[in-house]
Amino acid sequence: AQSVAQPEDQVNVAEGNPLTVKCTYSVSGNPYLFWYVQYPNRGLQFLLKYITGDNLVKGSYGFEAEFNKSQTSFHLKKPSALVSDSALYFCAVRGGYSSASKIIFGSGTRLSIRP
Amino acid sequence: DTGVSQDPRHKITKRGQNVTFRCDPISEHNRLYWYRQTLGQGPEFLTYFQNEAQLEKSRLLSDRFSAERPKGSFSTLEIQRTEQGDSAMYLCASAQGLQETQYFGPGTRLLVL
Repeated sequence: AQSVAQPEDQVNVAEGNPLTVKCTYSVSGNPYLFWYVQYPNRGLQFLLKYITGDNLVKGSYGFEAEFNKSQTSFHLKKPSALVSDSALYFCAVRGGYSSASKIIFGSGTRLSIRP
Repeated sequence: DTGVSQDPRHKITKRGQNVTFRCDPISEHNRLYWYRQTLGQGPEFLTYFQNEAQLEKSRLLSDRFSAERPKGSFSTLEIQRTEQGDSAMYLCASAQGLQETQYFGPGTRLLVL
């Protein structure tokens, strides 16, 4: 069965510092991995995805994520945090088999950037 | 370029009433998904359509829930005899093809009193 774990409910970072939001996954076959961000009372916005290829994926708003197959992780990173990055971040996974189209989401990590 | 739209954005209803939500996907996206999100949790998959065919339903989708996508464009999600436990945000997403990114609408927030 597919599953995603986001071990931190909240991450606090000072503006200008690097940030990391952690994600580990479990899936059959090759994983498709995603990061989404959610602002208050809004739907989810796509940030980036990994399907195949380079393990370092670059996405929107300066975010990037590193796929690590041996550690089954897909941590979200940004070199320099902005206050406007404060939001709820979701990691998600989909199995690589053609019949597994649904996405399984983690429970979310609230990112708080202090000025 | 219009994204995924959902209507209504908010719905308050009394227990036992029926409600219907609408989702308009990004044009030409052939896949449409429904998710439910409760406070403090990630979205949970409910069902999805490829064109007009409903290809997968979650066990979360009880008999009181029904979804349709009659012409392969917009979709409706109906909840009959609502219960307080149905209170949640209902999210719709669309994608083009199996490997493409799912893009989400703003959601419909349901409150059952």
